[in-house]
Amino acid sequence: KAGVTQTPRYLIKTRGQQVTLSCSPISGHRSVSWYQQTPGQGLQFLFEYFSETQRNKGNFPGRFSGRQFSNSRSEMNVSTLELGDSALYLCASSRTGLNSPLHFGNGTRLTVT
Amino acid sequence: GENVEQHPSTLSVQEGDSAVIKCTYSDSASNYFPWYKQELGKGPQLIIDIRSNVGEKKDQRIAVTLNKTAKHFSLHITETQPEDSAVYFCAASTRDGGTSYGKLTFGQGTILTVHP
Repeated sequence: KAGVTQTPRYLIKTRGQQVTLSCSPISGHRSVSWYQQTPGQGLQFLFEYFSETQRNKGNFPGRFSGRQFSNSRSEMNVSTLELGDSALYLCASSRTGLNSPLHFGNGTRLTVT
Repeated sequence: GENVEQHPSTLSVQEGDSAVIKCTYSDSASNYFPWYKQELGKGPQLIIDIRSNVGEKKDQRIAVTLNKTAKHFSLHITETQPEDSAVYFCAASTRDGGTSYGKLTFGQGTILTVHP
């Protein structure tokens, strides 16, 4: 069974630009969550989607947004990039998203210069 | 909101020894506690999890214990091997704002080094 796939693996962007990251969940998983990982803040929850609906959101500014498609694939978008947005962005999928195992992809490494 | 504290931040053991990592959480409503292993250049990999209605769970060399009264849980790795070297994270389900969908609060991580 294929795992969670995230593309691209690496991105370099300039301040002020926007970026879109993509995630394909494990087959049969309808919940997709996004996390930001940095050395200083650790792993922080961004948002969760299930059946194309955002059910939960973390404490991030509105520049961070996401969406989910009918095939459960998800994208997240960051607009007006700041230097502090440099991080590893991780996508995780699970069957229900509620107290069930989250399976992470290998992430997208975003560098903002 | 939920707060998860993890100790120690680094742990160095000899091959064959046991390793123990401890976490405490603050939200008594948390009821799901997974542990993840993260190797360099990879995403966190789920290695074991426990729910609040269970006190202990074991999978080969890995075990997790949960004390709901004290709000702490621990990861035990026996007969450690060099390939166990990685960063380990504990996490707890979090119901900030009334929903815990997809949301885990993670500890800060433990860098485990197993020396051959």
